[in-house]
Amino acid sequence: EDQVTQSPEALRLQEGESSSLNCSYTVSGLRGLFWYRQDPGKGPEFLFTLYSAGEEKEKERLKATLTKKESFLHITAPKPEDSATYLCAVQRWAGGTSYGKLTFGQGTILTVHP
Amino acid sequence: DAGVIQSPRHEVTEMGQEVTLRCKPISGHDYLFWYRQTMMRGLELLIYFNNNVPIDDSGMPEDRFSAKMPNASFSTLKIQPSEPRDSAVYFCASSYTWGPSGYTFGSGTRLTVV
Repeated sequence: EDQVTQSPEALRLQEGESSSLNCSYTVSGLRGLFWYRQDPGKGPEFLFTLYSAGEEKEKERLKATLTKKESFLHITAPKPEDSATYLCAVQRWAGGTSYGKLTFGQGTILTVHP
Repeated sequence: DAGVIQSPRHEVTEMGQEVTLRCKPISGHDYLFWYRQTMMRGLELLIYFNNNVPIDDSGMPEDRFSAKMPNASFSTLKIQPSEPRDSAVYFCASSYTWGPSGYTFGSGTRLTVV
């Protein structure tokens, strides 16, 4: 069974204090690893898709990296508006354009204090 | 595009009553997903459709739950009869093919069954 474990469960940072969130996974044939951001009272918002080990993607203060067993979301010099829950998900390989099962982690609640 | 539109945003109902949640996906997206989110279980996939056809409903908790997608621009999730343990936030999401650009989630319906 596919599994996604995120750590830590919660992280408090001071504005400007860089850190990383971890997503450890096991999946039968990885098609893609996704990162989402979720604000209170809203649906998850897509951030990145990573496909293979060694791949990196960046967006503003966020950088996501991928190895064969885990992914990291690095946050550089965070601001209070980066406070949110960050969700990681893995999608199992399926043929062609078919949907493969997507498994979400429980998320990391990030709070950035001014 | 206005994104994925869900209604109502909040629903409070009494145990035993029928509840219908509604979703309008993004035009052109061929996959539609219904998720449920709780603190204990996180995001759980209930059912998904491809080109309006239900593909996998193995996540539907009981026969009290049913979902339909009569056309490409509308889907419903019905709970009949509702129970207090159904209280959760229900999200609808849509994607183009298997979702390499991520899923677009709606803002969710917060359901409270008393």
